Order: sequence, then C-alpha cells, then structure tokens
Amino acid sequence: GENVEQHPSTLSVQEGDSAVIKCTYSDSASNYFPWYKQELGKGPQLIIDIRSNVGEKKDQRIAVTLNKTAKHFSLHITETQPEDSAVYFCAAFLYSSASKIIFGSGTRLSIRP
Amino acid sequence: GAGVSQSPSNKVTEKGKDVELRCDPISGHTALYWYRQSLGQGLEFLIYFQGNSAPDKSGLPSDRFSAERTGGSVSTLTIQRTQQEDSAVYLCASSPRQVAYGYTFGSGTRLTVV
Repeated sequence: GENVEQHPSTLSVQEGDSAVIKCTYSDSASNYFPWYKQELGKGPQLIIDIRSNVGEKKDQRIAVTLNKTAKHFSLHITETQPEDSAVYFCAAFLYSSASKIIFGSGTRLSIRP
Repeated sequence: GAGVSQSPSNKVTEKGKDVELRCDPISGHTALYWYRQSLGQGLEFLIYFQGNSAPDKSGLPSDRFSAERTGGSVSTLTIQRTQQEDSAVYLCASSPRQVAYGYTFGSGTRLTVV
C-alpha cells in the first residue's frame, strides 16, 4: 500500500519569507497529490492539488511541484502571512481506484511577525 | 447541507462506556470516510464507504470500533467500551465520486475518555 512521509514536522519562518514542505511517496502508481491546511479546531481543507501529468501548479502565493522519478512533491508558500500559520498535510492517491487518501504526518507552520 | 456536519462537536465519556459519533455528508456525495487524529498527530484512516459496496474497514483499530451508513447518507461511528487511548478528534469526510478527488472534511468530534 501507499506510504507518505512528510518533512519537517515543524517549521517557523519570518513573515514575508517563503516556506517549503516536502513529501515522499512509495507507490509509483499514485497519480493525485492533494495538500490540506488545518487550522485550530477545524477540519482539514484542500488548498491545492496536482495530478501526475504536470510538474508544477500555482495558485497565487501557493505552488506545488512534483518529481515523479524521485517520487517526491513539495508545497511552496511565498510571502508568508500570519494567516498561513496552520498544520499542513500532504497526501498521495491512486486516482483511478476506489480507495482512501493516505496522508503524511503533517507540518506545523508558524509565521513569526 | 452546505458542508459535512459532525455531531457532537465535543464528547466526554467515562472509560468503559459506549459512544456514537454522527456524520452528515454533503448531499449527493457517494463516498464517506472516517479518520482519527490523536493530539498533535496525523490523520489515521479508519473506514471508507462507497455507495452500496462493502465498506473498507481495514483501518479500524479493534473490534470495539464499528460504523454504519444508512441509506447511503448519514454515518455513525460507534466505539464500545471506550478506553483512554480512544481520546482523539474523529474526522469525517465525503467526496462526490468513487474516487477521493476533493475530500471535504467536517470539523470533527473531539472525544475525551476519562
């Protein structure tokens, strides 16, 4: 089955700087990679996702890159703001199968003012 | 409804008691998932329902845990003879199709076993 590893577990950056979170996956057949943001007391929310047929996707200050050969993908947040403070989860999934998403262990991101 | 609704939002129970947690998925979503999140930890898969198919129960940690989904909509997660290690946030998610594209999570039920 799929296994997803996520690093770092905690990350603190100065407001305005960039933050990068990295994940690796084990199943080379996985073809869908979503990222979720979880704020205190709330359920995780999808913030961006990428399919295996592209190498990069951007949405304003957030971007995700995918390296299928190395089986790793990353979340990049630029010009960080206080509201970016949250726990971020990566996940990997075989899109064509009826199954469940396997999540990474999460990264607690703190933005220092 | 507009989102995935879970109830209760908080539950405190005595060790050994049974508890039921409820999830109302988004209308029309055919897939429903339960995850458990222990304090400061990641998301542990518990069980997955898809339409009328047999559920994927591979993540249930013990036979004290069970879940059902009535009429392809509302789901109930039951924990019998609760233990302190069952204390966690139980999250429900639903998605519109057979595959997991676009999970929408509820806000969870925080279970505390004392």
